Amino acid sequence: EVQLVETGGGLVQPGKSLKLTCATSGFTFSNAWMDWVRQSPEKQLEWVAQIKDKSNNYATYYAESVKGRFTISRDDSKSSVYLQMNSLKEEDTAIYYCTSYNNYHFDYWGQGVMVTVSS
Amino acid sequence: DVVMTQTPVSLSVSLGGQVSISCRSSQSLVHNNGNTYLSWYLQKPGQSPQLLIYKVSNRFSGISDRFSGSGSGTDFTLKISRVEPDDLGVYYCGQGTQYPYTFGAGTKLELK
Repeated sequence: EVQLVETGGGLVQPGKSLKLTCATSGFTFSNAWMDWVRQSPEKQLEWVAQIKDKSNNYATYYAESVKGRFTISRDDSKSSVYLQMNSLKEEDTAIYYCTSYNNYHFDYWGQGVMVTVSS
Repeated sequence: DVVMTQTPVSLSVSLGGQVSISCRSSQSLVHNNGNTYLSWYLQKPGQSPQLLIYKVSNRFSGISDRFSGSGSGTDFTLKISRVEPDDLGVYYCGQGTQYPYTFGAGTKLELK
């Protein structure tokens, strides 16, 4: 059974940092492309970042809204993907989902973790 | 960015009925490789989104044949036949053809 479990969310002040972790199991993580997608309080889904596999040189891609502030990374030995979020803004408040990306669609999603940016 | 527009915003249906949800993209979703990467997701109350349909019309593993996808270019449709209680929730279309990947605003399916 495929499982993706996000941790690391919480309440943080504007300008501060937070790191999300997604631990996975049930599939060959090292071959997978992994993404983070967030859902705003208004329920809009927004793609955040993607990291490809080793054969694609772990290439990374970001939404313009987070470029320069967020960093996606992975540890294949731990079957985990991470999202380092710096210089957080109130508009980053959302549920963050870890997803696997397979053949141009998001096939498996984690349960999500809430990030609230507020003073 | 590709803007995804879903209609209607909400839909009321009787159990056993049939519904259609429309999704339009601001640009063609035909990839350079000739494939069209339009997907449909369902978010049930209190849950994360789940994949229903990928590449316009392919049902994901375990998805009932009551769900069908169609369309091409910029116009796409999701049809749900013989609606069951477990089908209720918010449906999203999404495109994987080009960065940044984008989603529609969702269509809420409710019981009449």
